[in-house]
Amino acid sequence: EVQLQESGPGLVKPSQSLSLTCSVTGYSITSNYWGWIRKFPGNKMEWMGYISYSGSTSYNPSLKSRISITRDTSKNQFFLQLNSVTTEDTATYYCARGGHFDYWGQGVMVTVSS
Amino acid sequence: DIQMTQSPSSMSASLGDRVTITCQASQDIGNNLIWFQQKPGKSPRPMIYYATNLANGVPSRFSGSRSGSDYSLTISSLESEDMADYHCLQYKQYPRTFGGGTKLELK
Repeated sequence: EVQLQESGPGLVKPSQSLSLTCSVTGYSITSNYWGWIRKFPGNKMEWMGYISYSGSTSYNPSLKSRISITRDTSKNQFFLQLNSVTTEDTATYYCARGGHFDYWGQGVMVTVSS
Repeated sequence: DIQMTQSPSSMSASLGDRVTITCQASQDIGNNLIWFQQKPGKSPRPMIYYATNLANGVPSRFSGSRSGSDYSLTISSLESEDMADYHCLQYKQYPRTFGGGTKLELK
């Protein structure tokens, strides 16, 4: 069974970087696409980007140059880094198997606050 | 970016009601649309793929349809377990974009 699990700090200070890990079991990240999605307070959802089976990436232009998605195939993990965070980045962050978004992690709530 | 306009943003309905939620796409997305259900504290669950195809394990009271640029999720007879947030997502073009969400509550 495919399972994804996010991990990372729940509190980040403004202007710092947010770093999250998605650990995948039951499926190799060298197949398919793997993405990050966030849900803001108030219900709005945003697709942030993905990393592909080959390691190529695609990002939401709304995040400009703040975002980076990388991976460690030896650990079957992929990572999100979001730089220069503000309070508007407060959200629940999910990793998911891309393509058809059929498998998701349970989500990690990240608050940006001083 | 393709804008997905979802309505209503919230609604209350009674058990047994027929409920319809709609997303309108600002550009052609074909049938490249997914409907998700999300309950509090849970991750999104895909309910409908490719606009009209029921995902595995989803009850048959759920259905998806398309009329031009309007996409609908219908629950034929509402049950208590259907109370949740619902989101549409287009996967025709990058960046992928979601509708604004619908909060479905019990009247």
